[in-house]
Amino acid sequence: EVQLVESGGGLVQPGGSLRLSCEVSGFLVSVNYMSWVRQAPGKGLEWVSIIQSGGSTYYADSVKGRFTISRDESRNTLYLQMNSLRAEDTAVYYCARERRDNYDNINGVDPWGQGTLVTVSS
Amino acid sequence: DIQMTQSPSSLSASVGDRVTITCRASQGISNSLAWYQQKPGKAPKLLLYAASRLRSGVPSRFSGSGSGTDYTLTISSLQPEDFATYYCQQSYRNFWTFGQGTKVEFK
Repeated sequence: EVQLVESGGGLVQPGGSLRLSCEVSGFLVSVNYMSWVRQAPGKGLEWVSIIQSGGSTYYADSVKGRFTISRDESRNTLYLQMNSLRAEDTAVYYCARERRDNYDNINGVDPWGQGTLVTVSS
Repeated sequence: DIQMTQSPSSLSASVGDRVTITCRASQGISNSLAWYQQKPGKAPKLLLYAASRLRSGVPSRFSGSGSGTDYTLTISSLQPEDFATYYCQQSYRNFWTFGQGTKVEFK
């Protein structure tokens, strides 16, 4: 069964750090494009970061230099290290897979995890 | 960065209505567009990808069209379970962008 389970969210003070984890079952993180997407309370979806199967990483301008995406092949787990957190980083964070076919065409984002809430507040 | 302008931000409709949501990209995105449905407290669900391809298991009342910068999601006959928020998403190049969302409410 394909499943993504996020963990690591919680309450953190401004300027603090947090590491989110996304344990994946049913497919290999290492051969897929994996992303983090966040959603502030009552707001829309915002893409945060992606790690490609080859290891290249990309970030939204809003988190560049503060967040780091990575993966652990032995644990089949995706991570998001978040440093220098700000109040505006408060959101539910989802991990998700970018589906690609055999010709490397993008076939949407699916599946998604259930999300983990990060609250940045003093 | 590519900006996605989605409209309307909300709409009221009745069961059986035909509903249309549009997304405009700030530059051409070569059909690298997907549509998602999200219900409160849940993760988004993929409906369509590559602008018009229906994800397996999604009802055929959902359809997508468009090219270049302009794309449309159509629900041909709104069902009770379709009341939700819908997002478009572009994945052209390596950076994703989502539309602002359209909340479909019961009239």
